[in-house]
Amino acid sequence: DQQVKQNSPSLSVQEGRISILNCDYTNSMFDYFLWYKKYPAEGPTFLISISSIKDKNEDGRFTVFLNKSAKHLSLHIVPSQPGDSAVYFCAASAGGGSNYKLTFGKGTLLTVNP
Amino acid sequence: EAQVTQNPRYLITVTGKKLTVTCSQNMNHEYMSWYRQDPGLGLRQIYYSMNVEVTDKGDVPEGYKVSRKEKRNFPLILESPSPNQTSLYFCASSSQRWFSYNEQFFGPGTRLTVL
Repeated sequence: DQQVKQNSPSLSVQEGRISILNCDYTNSMFDYFLWYKKYPAEGPTFLISISSIKDKNEDGRFTVFLNKSAKHLSLHIVPSQPGDSAVYFCAASAGGGSNYKLTFGKGTLLTVNP
Repeated sequence: EAQVTQNPRYLITVTGKKLTVTCSQNMNHEYMSWYRQDPGLGLRQIYYSMNVEVTDKGDVPEGYKVSRKEKRNFPLILESPSPNQTSLYFCASSSQRWFSYNEQFFGPGTRLTVL
């Protein structure tokens, strides 16, 4: 049973436009959500996170929105740049104070075209 | 430089030949974990460790062993590798501050092929 779902395996956008990556979860115990970015031949790197007590978190061009009632979160990248082309993983934790276990989605390959 | 290192980066082996993938972090992190990444399946946790001598199973522990004798090292052991363990493996670590969420830092990955 997949508890974190990224239903779009890939997304292609034009440089300068908005990229929206979506993630759904089923476990209501998840209370912390993270996005990781992964380039080929490298390990994933942390991008942005959000606690379940918030509905939005911004960091520069990246904003994560959380809709707890819908068990849905999204990552917005504005404006998108070619260097943003990577695989994006959504992850969730039910740590309640520590994140000893992360559950990842399958990832979405974002391609930003110049 | 703060980092998680893994060795080897690439390994081709044969079925049944025991192997160890090493993982080391220099950030004094309490928590360490192993993941495997497979096409269409994303990242799945194999084992994790919350501190020295404390380990537990993740989602896909079958066929793997781990040990945590020192804080900085968390080796992944395949006693009798099989072709279905061909995968890309990542080690990760994070600090473990209570009531604070801590992102995990990942190593560069080890690509393992079992023939």
